[in-house]
Amino acid sequence: GAVVSQHPSWVICKSGTSVKIECRSLDFQATTMFWYRQFPKQSLMLMATSNEGSKATYEQGVEKDKFLINHASLTLSTLTVTSAHPEDSSFYICSARTGAYGYTFGSGTRLTVV
Amino acid sequence: AQRVTQPEKLLSVFKGAPVELKCNYSYSGSPELFWYVQYSRQRLQLLLRHISRESIKGFTADLNKGETSFHLKKPFAQEEDSAMYYCALSPPNGGTSYGKLTFGQGTILTVHP
Repeated sequence: GAVVSQHPSWVICKSGTSVKIECRSLDFQATTMFWYRQFPKQSLMLMATSNEGSKATYEQGVEKDKFLINHASLTLSTLTVTSAHPEDSSFYICSARTGAYGYTFGSGTRLTVV
Repeated sequence: AQRVTQPEKLLSVFKGAPVELKCNYSYSGSPELFWYVQYSRQRLQLLLRHISRESIKGFTADLNKGETSFHLKKPFAQEEDSAMYYCALSPPNGGTSYGKLTFGQGTILTVHP
């Protein structure tokens, strides 16, 4: 079946630096990808919708200048957390629409900002 | 606003016992409802969706529009069913918001031997 490969699975960075998370669709074209964030012991919250070749659409309350999303090709979407701070520490998950009705999720990235 | 509520954070049953994971939703319209499962150290994966009306791994879920519920059921739980279960809602297919999933808080199911 359709697979989304997400990297890195785990990253630690210093406060003030930027971190890039990649999601690649394998064996299918992902015109739309979704980025979610999950705080410990909480549910997944949609951050933004990424469409190939156009600007991402951010959910209310999500800082688009802090969470930069690029979807330059049909198989790759990236999320860059800029000037990361400890409060950005979280679990980030991408998902891709695999057709008219399906979605598949990446394995997630655990970001820890120290 | 759309909302999904899973009232039970933890649910424990013994092997062979019936299990029901509750999910209630709030949405003005006809959404699509899903159940996702996450086994230990694995990625989130689709368990079932209401429009397919199929049974996966013995689990079924019926959409009750009157009660705005989409409870997940299995008549005889197995130890390998132990996992985190998320109920999720999407606006209907065909709209611009299709695919923007709203997740419930999740229920950790533990099936004891």
